[in-house]
Amino acid sequence: QKEVEQDPGPLSVPEGAIVSLNCTYSNSAFQYFMWYRQYSRKGPELLMYTYSSGNKEDGRFTAQVDKSSKYISLFIRDSQPSDSATYLCAMSAQTGANNLFFGTGTRLTVIP
Amino acid sequence: GAGVSQSPSNKVTEKGKDVELRCDPISGHTALYWYRQSLGQGLEFLIYFQGNSAPDKSGLPSDRFSAERTGGSVSTLTIQRTQQEDSAVYLCASRVGGSAETQYFGPGTRLLVL
Repeated sequence: QKEVEQDPGPLSVPEGAIVSLNCTYSNSAFQYFMWYRQYSRKGPELLMYTYSSGNKEDGRFTAQVDKSSKYISLFIRDSQPSDSATYLCAMSAQTGANNLFFGTGTRLTVIP
Repeated sequence: GAGVSQSPSNKVTEKGKDVELRCDPISGHTALYWYRQSLGQGLEFLIYFQGNSAPDKSGLPSDRFSAERTGGSVSTLTIQRTQQEDSAVYLCASRVGGSAETQYFGPGTRLLVL
């Protein structure tokens, strides 16, 4: 079993839709959770970072962490064609950890 | 530029040949990572450099893989006797220090082994 599981998609939605992206994990020691966005032929860029359980909102993006269920989500409201990218979840057990555990990424296309 | 740069952007090689991939991290960043990204596999950690400490090589898949970081800056990932299963995107990331999540990634090198 992988440490982090993520549905690879692809996921296609119409412009303006609410998008829900999810990851599950098996290591209960994880407490730092991240979402990266990766455009085609580019490196991943950090989109959202949360610590422990709870919600974090940044503009149209909301990250949720449910540690009891070992489940994290990223919601995108009013999705735009520019949101079309691959979204990777990542997590670590401690800050300063020398590596992150990544999901496989979900490829999202927002259709105008 | 101010970001992480990698070269070459694309590399096609024949099975059995050696390849070198280069990473120029952001100036002043003390930590440097190499990852491999394959279709359907996500990012696979390969190696981590932090300052003058011994590198963490725990992610290297075989002894054909090695990496160096000279002068605490530029890093080279070397793959000897390449195999077709080495075909992937090799990503480099750097961070200034502190929390691991603030990694800045380069665009990657796309390696194809024929």
